[in-house]
Amino acid sequence: AQSVTQLDSHVSVSEGTPVLLRCNYSSSYSPSLFWYVQHPNKGLQLLLKYTSAATLVKGINGFEAEFKKSETSFHLTKPSAHMSDAAEYFCVVTPFSGYSTLTFGKGTMLLVSP
Amino acid sequence: DADVTQTPRNRITKTGKRIMLECSQTKGHDRMYWYRQDPGLGLQLIYYSFDVKDINKGEISDGYSVSRQAQAKFSLSLESAIPNQTALYFCATSDSGEPTGGTGELFFGEGSRLTVL
Repeated sequence: AQSVTQLDSHVSVSEGTPVLLRCNYSSSYSPSLFWYVQHPNKGLQLLLKYTSAATLVKGINGFEAEFKKSETSFHLTKPSAHMSDAAEYFCVVTPFSGYSTLTFGKGTMLLVSP
Repeated sequence: DADVTQTPRNRITKTGKRIMLECSQTKGHDRMYWYRQDPGLGLQLIYYSFDVKDINKGEISDGYSVSRQAQAKFSLSLESAIPNQTALYFCATSDSGEPTGGTGELFFGEGSRLTVL
């Protein structure tokens, strides 16, 4: 069994300040973890993924996430928010084996103010 | 052209009507999925197919059916639509993940917004 908890439904930051979107997971197997972003009226786009290689993963648009097995966390960070980062972000888990489907968190809406 | 194409993009219908949402992909992936998105609930899996002869129910399959007509085509049907099926529906594809040298990454269509009156 697997599950994902995104700890904040909404996060508000000012442009130029750091972003932290929190994600905790549970999985009976070694997990693969993903972050997806959804801009308004768009489909979802992959930001980054962890698949058992380096625990610090760099993605597109300056985002990165760190896999911490001891804390069962995969938090998404960015040093400096941009207005274009305003979107909804989803943390996703699936067993590394590939023989299962992906489980989505409920999403975190990132609001960026000038 | 988009890798994953959904039609229609928007549809308004009435209670009791039959609706089909279609999805086609040019990624060459074996795996295809239908998700439903409701505000605050994330994405919930309706049905998935790991190859043309494989169809599986997801978390919320009641009231829905699917057909995998070919590797590239996966359609979702609502036999008798009801208002609580009003939602944004996404089709997605993926490869088979690490064991086959892939990534398991999902590629999404742009979504089909369905309103049932």
